[in-house]
Amino acid sequence: DFQMTQFPSSLSASLGDRITITCRASQDIRNYAAWFQQKPGKAPQLLMYSAATLHSGVPSRFSGNGSGTEFSLTIDSLRPEDVAVYYCQNYYSPPYNFGQGTRLEI
Amino acid sequence: QVQMVQSGAEVMKPGASVKVSCMAAASSFSSQYLHWVRQAPGRGLEWMGLINPDTGYTTYSQAFHDRIAVTRDTSTNTIYMILTGLKSDDTAVYYCARSGGSGSGWYPGHIWGQGTLVTVSS
Repeated sequence: DFQMTQFPSSLSASLGDRITITCRASQDIRNYAAWFQQKPGKAPQLLMYSAATLHSGVPSRFSGNGSGTEFSLTIDSLRPEDVAVYYCQNYYSPPYNFGQGTRLEI
Repeated sequence: QVQMVQSGAEVMKPGASVKVSCMAAASSFSSQYLHWVRQAPGRGLEWMGLINPDTGYTTYSQAFHDRIAVTRDTSTNTIYMILTGLKSDDTAVYYCARSGGSGSGWYPGHIWGQGTLVTVSS
């Protein structure tokens, strides 16, 4: 299985800050990584796929990077609505495991 | 935009089986993988399996051994997730999610259902 290790598990930042979340795959998954945002009581929403492609409607404050085994999600100019849990996901080979999640507080 | 509409909450006894449905409310039911993902209370996301609605091909996480089956009904644009041998640990919100893109450029989680809470309790 392709395990996804995400860090940090939680993060506290201030409005206007820039933050980065990292995800490490246990094996090479090329660029088949996606990032999701989940707010309390809601279904996850896709932010990024192919490691660095912004999903339609997602603000450009979000950006992704990486390939192989190291991936990152960066949020610039933090806003109150960014409070959420963020997950990475491998979709190179099933099982399409998620990282453990990063809880972002502002 | 395609909507994914799931069936309502269920309360099940340990050892029972549950069947959760997910209907695509538009003609684009086909041509995309449809996934099942669950989330136990206060926990992270867990990928369970997927189905190709055109061919019926399925693949599952080994974490569910032989307890899971995903089927489809193309006449109603609906997929089903059946989980057997329920345990208290199976208490979770179950989501269906439709992929996006096409061919080798597909990606997961393009559109999600609203979630179905399954509670397993004696």
